[in-house]
Amino acid sequence: GEDVEQSLFLSVREGDSSVINCTYTDSSSTYLYWYKQEPGAGLQLLTYIFSNMDMKQDQRLTVLLNKKDKHLSLRIADTQTGDSAIYFCAERADNNDMRFGAGTRLTVKP
Amino acid sequence: GAVVSQHPSRVICKSGTSVKIECRSLDFQATTMFWYRQFPKKSLMLMATSNEGSKATYEQGVEKDKFLINHASLTLSTLTVTSAHPEDSSFYICSARSLAGGPGNEQFFGPGTRLTVL
Repeated sequence: GEDVEQSLFLSVREGDSSVINCTYTDSSSTYLYWYKQEPGAGLQLLTYIFSNMDMKQDQRLTVLLNKKDKHLSLRIADTQTGDSAIYFCAERADNNDMRFGAGTRLTVKP
Repeated sequence: GAVVSQHPSRVICKSGTSVKIECRSLDFQATTMFWYRQFPKKSLMLMATSNEGSKATYEQGVEKDKFLINHASLTLSTLTVTSAHPEDSSFYICSARSLAGGPGNEQFFGPGTRLTVL
C-alpha cells in the first residue's frame, strides 16, 4: 500500500531554521497538509498546499512540494521553543481518504 | 477556525467495563467524523469513518462489536469501547469534516481522549 514517511526526530537550536521532510507515494493526492500536535493535545492544522502548487509561504512557515519526487517539506524560520511539538504530514487522495505520516518530533534547544 | 471537542479528555476504567467518548463539532456541521487511535511514536491509525445517520465504516482489523460508533447528528459522534482491556489503553482522537468543506476539505481534530484500562 501507499505510505507517508517522515523521519521521527529533529533537534534544532532556538533561532535556527527547521526543515521537516516527508515523502508520499500516491501521485493522485490532491492536497497535502502539515499538522502540529502539542503534548497531550489533538492535531492542529498548520498549513496545506494544493498539489498543483510548488510552494506556499505563511509567515514563518514555508511549504515546498516536489510533485515529481513526491516530496513535501515544511520549513520553520527562526524556530522558537514554542515550536517544539510533533509535526505530521498528511495527504488527501482523490477519494478523500487521508493518510498520515508517523510524525516528526521537533525539539528546540535554547 | 472550526472547533472540535472531545469528552472526556482522560478516563481511567477497570478491565471489563465500557467507556463512551464523545466528539462534537462546536461551530459547524460535520457530515463525516473519523476516529483514530494513536500509539506512542507511531502515526494515527484510522479506526472508522462515520457518516451522520448511517452505519460506520470500519478499517480492516478493527472490531466493530468492540468499538461501537454512533453518529446521531451532524454535530455529535460517539465511540464506545466495550468490555475494555488493558491493551485498549491508548490516545483516541476524533476529527470532523465540515458539511461546507474547507479550502482543502480538511479534517478538524479534537484534542484527544487518553484512555487507561486497569
